[in-house]
Amino acid sequence: DAKTTQPTSMDCAEGRAANLPCNHSTISGNEYVYWYRQIHSQGPQYIIHGLKNNETNEMASLIITEDRKSSTLILPHATLRDTAVYYCIVRPPGDAGNMLTFGGGTRLMVKP
Amino acid sequence: EADIYQTPRYLVIGTGKKITLECSQTMGHDKMYWYQQDPGMELHLIHYSYGVNSTEKGDLSSESTVSRIRTEHFPLTLESARPSHTSQYLCASSPWGLAAYEQYFGPGTRLTVT
Repeated sequence: DAKTTQPTSMDCAEGRAANLPCNHSTISGNEYVYWYRQIHSQGPQYIIHGLKNNETNEMASLIITEDRKSSTLILPHATLRDTAVYYCIVRPPGDAGNMLTFGGGTRLMVKP
Repeated sequence: EADIYQTPRYLVIGTGKKITLECSQTMGHDKMYWYQQDPGMELHLIHYSYGVNSTEKGDLSSESTVSRIRTEHFPLTLESARPSHTSQYLCASSPWGLAAYEQYFGPGTRLTVT
């Protein structure tokens, strides 16, 4: 499986956009990029996923570079409740990719 | 909101006791998982199941055991608890097919063995 690299921690001002980067330079053609987050002491929560096109849902946007070697998760208007550890995971789609390997993630601190 | 439940939420127990952590889901998912996470550390997969009567060990070796007699139920058992088992245990489930990317997690059980 492709390895991902994320910054250990980031700060963001409340109300501003939070841009969380992820490097996955060894990603293969059929592997998707998934993002999860874990708010303190809770179970992880799925956010979004994508293959090559940019994706948007009610929680966030996912921007994947054209060469697919990196991506950015964007929280457009961060709130204090978005403070969490954000995990970028690269896996094959569907049943082949049901084993999620969570790395260290990025600890996002949203400050008032 | 995901319909996956774990009990108890918190458990403090003495060394040598047998414990069972319960996990149930009402979404009809065939796949279920157990993860272990120490405070501030990474999640590690310790067990998973593809369906009834299917159980597999995960990436992290664990002295716990699991069973899957019913689709909705995936309990984890420690025959003799030790202080090294102190951790948070998270249960998750997912469907088959293209939607398998999304794992739904329970709230976790925080276990302390004294």
